[in-house]
Amino acid sequence: GENVEQHPSTLSVQEGDSAVIKCTYSDSASNYFPWYKQELGKGPQLIIDIRSNVGEKKDQRIAVTLNKTAKHFSLHITETQPEDSAVYFCAADFSSGSARQLTFGSGTQLTVLP
Amino acid sequence: EPEVTQTPSHQVTQMGQEVILRCVPISNHLYFYWYRQILGQKVEFLVSFYNNEISEKSEIFDDQFSVERPDGSNFTLKIRSTKLEDSAMYFCASMGGADTQYFGPGTRLTVL
Repeated sequence: GENVEQHPSTLSVQEGDSAVIKCTYSDSASNYFPWYKQELGKGPQLIIDIRSNVGEKKDQRIAVTLNKTAKHFSLHITETQPEDSAVYFCAADFSSGSARQLTFGSGTQLTVLP
Repeated sequence: EPEVTQTPSHQVTQMGQEVILRCVPISNHLYFYWYRQILGQKVEFLVSFYNNEISEKSEIFDDQFSVERPDGSNFTLKIRSTKLEDSAMYFCASMGGADTQYFGPGTRLTVL
């Protein structure tokens, strides 16, 4: 079935270092891959997304890469800051219709140590 | 910046009772969703809604669940007879013409 695997489940980095979170997906037909940040007690907030017609997208300290052949995509956060500490979820859209339906990874608890 | 809002933030109910969770999507968005997140687990899709009808639903969304858009602004999720395993965070999301889904802050449902 449709599935998204996410690694690692927890990640600790020193402030200023980079963090990388990786996801793989099962359905090669998927063409939309968002990343969400969830702070404690809040809903998921979109931080960046990528569509299958591009291989990389960057927004300030955040970048996402997509390898459609290998069916994996990664989130890169550079110059991490304590406020980057949160749970990060990758997701993929496996639906065929216009309504979209996201399948989420299991999440990565990122801790940025000051 | 427009945002999705949800009420209540926390709902406590007895097993077997009906609950209605409410959402106000971003105005002019056309697609509406409910997801749930059991404590410590991943976010799971429940249902999508477009043009006043369900577009897709997951196997979690059984006959105990229903959705409705009773007016031009609200979007509701009803659970007819709650079970202990329905305890979770329920997130509403909405989407405009592009792919991006915006999530609300969630309603924490506790079934006793």
